[in-house]
Amino acid sequence: EIVMTQSPATLSVSPGERATLSCRASQSIRSNLAWYQQKPGQAPRLFIYEASTRATGIPARFSGSGSGTEFTLTISSLQSEDFAVYYCQQYNNWQTFGQGTKVEVK
Amino acid sequence: EVQLVESGGGLVQPGRSLRLSCAAAGFTFSDYTMYWVRQAPGKGLEWVSGITWNSADKGYSESVRGRVTISRDNAENRLYLEMNSLRVEDTALYYCAKAGAGFLDSWGQGTLVTVSS
Repeated sequence: EIVMTQSPATLSVSPGERATLSCRASQSIRSNLAWYQQKPGQAPRLFIYEASTRATGIPARFSGSGSGTEFTLTISSLQSEDFAVYYCQQYNNWQTFGQGTKVEVK
Repeated sequence: EVQLVESGGGLVQPGRSLRLSCAAAGFTFSDYTMYWVRQAPGKGLEWVSGITWNSADKGYSESVRGRVTISRDNAENRLYLEMNSLRVEDTALYYCAKAGAGFLDSWGQGTLVTVSS
């Protein structure tokens, strides 16, 4: 089973600042990686797929990069609605989720 | 608009069984691989099981393999998860999700399963 490791567990950022979230796979998953945002009491929402493609309606301040085993989600200028938990997920071999990164207000 | 509505959750004793259901609408259900994902209270997301469009291939996480069976009825647009020998650690909100080439592009709101004596 492919293990996904996210870092950091918590990221404290001020509004308007840049946030960089990392995700590592235990083996190569090519570009079969997605990022999801989840807010309290809500279902997860797809943000990025194929490592770097934004889902419908996702603002351009969100960008994804990477391939193989190392991936990054960057939020260029944090808005109030961006504070949430973000999960990476591999879908190269069925699925596995990372443990999540909570982006909180500094 | 894609709609996924889960049902069948509830309070169940350890060792008992439960069958979850997911009603799908707003898309051609029979064209898509479907998944179950769960989230224990205050914890992260965990993939549980997946099934291809024609039921030819099914996958299970190590934590549930041998105790859980996924199935689907394409004529009724329904996804199922049969869970046996339930454990306290199976307590979670269970989401049904539609896959778009592997990633999950639509999610239901979940059904809560509580395993407790």
